[in-house]
Amino acid sequence: GAGVSQSPSNKVTEKGKDVELRCDPISGHTALYWYRQSLGQGLEFLIYFQGNSAPDKSGLPSDRFSAERTGGSVSTLTIQRTQQEDSAVYLCASSLAGGPDYEQYFGPGTRLTVT
Amino acid sequence: GDSVTQMEGPVTLSEEAFLTINCTYTATGYPSLFWYVQYPGEGLQLLLKATKADDKGSNKGFEATYRKETTSFHLEKGSVQVSDSAVYFCARHQAGTALIFGKGTTLSVSS
Repeated sequence: GAGVSQSPSNKVTEKGKDVELRCDPISGHTALYWYRQSLGQGLEFLIYFQGNSAPDKSGLPSDRFSAERTGGSVSTLTIQRTQQEDSAVYLCASSLAGGPDYEQYFGPGTRLTVT
Repeated sequence: GDSVTQMEGPVTLSEEAFLTINCTYTATGYPSLFWYVQYPGEGLQLLLKATKADDKGSNKGFEATYRKETTSFHLEKGSVQVSDSAVYFCARHQAGTALIFGKGTTLSVSS
């Protein structure tokens, strides 16, 4: 079946512009996660959605970052007023449910470059 | 805070050599532990996991044992292949939700 998909695969933007990154999770998966992979920082958790519960936003690095998940499926990560330090690969993952018993399946990522 | 520390790479080995990639964690309690792998040009995928102390996760010839005494989850393989060349990430669960990852170890295997 289809895995987690993300779009765009690559995004180049100018400093100060806003960007939106999209994630389509595996159908039926109630949990969705955003991570960021950057040189020197490794993989960092950003935000987690589980069903209709309030999202866990504890990993968002600043208030320029926000995310929503519409209808319990597709999610959009928005970065406002992008900075060069936002350059990274943004990964989305989904799992059947939240918690350690459920494997997280990762998408291919969106490579964001802020010039 | 809670964290995962893994050995820095790159690790360069010849085919059929023995592999160890060290991983230690800090945590309150006994979180589930994971190894993820990222092959060139591919997405991150789960390699193996262990959910409680003394558990051994295994897959594709790789093994890791959950050692609570040393808070470690070292990855081992007895005989690596060129196709094992990838970046390996150790990870643990945080409060049952997201994963905390180590910084990754690049493995390069030559024939």
